[in-house]
Amino acid sequence: NAGVMQNPRHLVRRRGQEARLRCSPMKGHSHVYWYRQLPEEGLKFMVYLQKENIIDESGMPKERFSAEFPKEGPSILRIQQVVRGDSAAYFCASSPPATENGYTFGSGTRLTVV
Amino acid sequence: SQQGEEDPQALSIQEGENATMNCSYKTSINNLQWYRQNSGRGLVHLILIRSNEREKHSGRLRVTLDTSKKSSSLLITASRAADTASYFCATGKGAQKLVFGQGTRLTINP
Repeated sequence: NAGVMQNPRHLVRRRGQEARLRCSPMKGHSHVYWYRQLPEEGLKFMVYLQKENIIDESGMPKERFSAEFPKEGPSILRIQQVVRGDSAAYFCASSPPATENGYTFGSGTRLTVV
Repeated sequence: SQQGEEDPQALSIQEGENATMNCSYKTSINNLQWYRQNSGRGLVHLILIRSNEREKHSGRLRVTLDTSKKSSSLLITASRAADTASYFCATGKGAQKLVFGQGTRLTINP
């Protein structure tokens, strides 16, 4: 019973390149959430998705960032034309429809933009 | 506005002592959750307390919730070195986004 799987664990991109972060939720979980964490700070909500639907993207920057959760396959967080300020840890969490037991988080992807 | 402000920002105690962390929030909630994060790792869910509950226990953890004061506390009894981590409170409403605080960095000294 694997938990939330995120890959890659570490990603280095040059300024202007694209970053693709993947998240496979726990089996049976239909809700996926992406959060960003800067060093020594808490997690900032980015986007909440269900299969094939974006439910809440109020925390996502309007430009360069996009997310999807297709019918088949993992959820993808895509950052186009990365800048140094995008360097952070990106965490994915999943939950079943009723979150009585909280979220299950992945180990995160640490993005470094050089 | 940010929900879930933890206090203190950092706490250092001796092994065996109790650690208390507090969390305040601003708007109405359905539940409040506490998570632990070890350095460089993802968050681990510790405990969830519903808005109609006042206290909840899980092993060495005790969580209280005071909705009139919009505050919660996390007590870790008989602390161990392995409890060294950052602790975050998060508030939520149903299956929607959780809003996290800045966290309390807890250090347990042997």
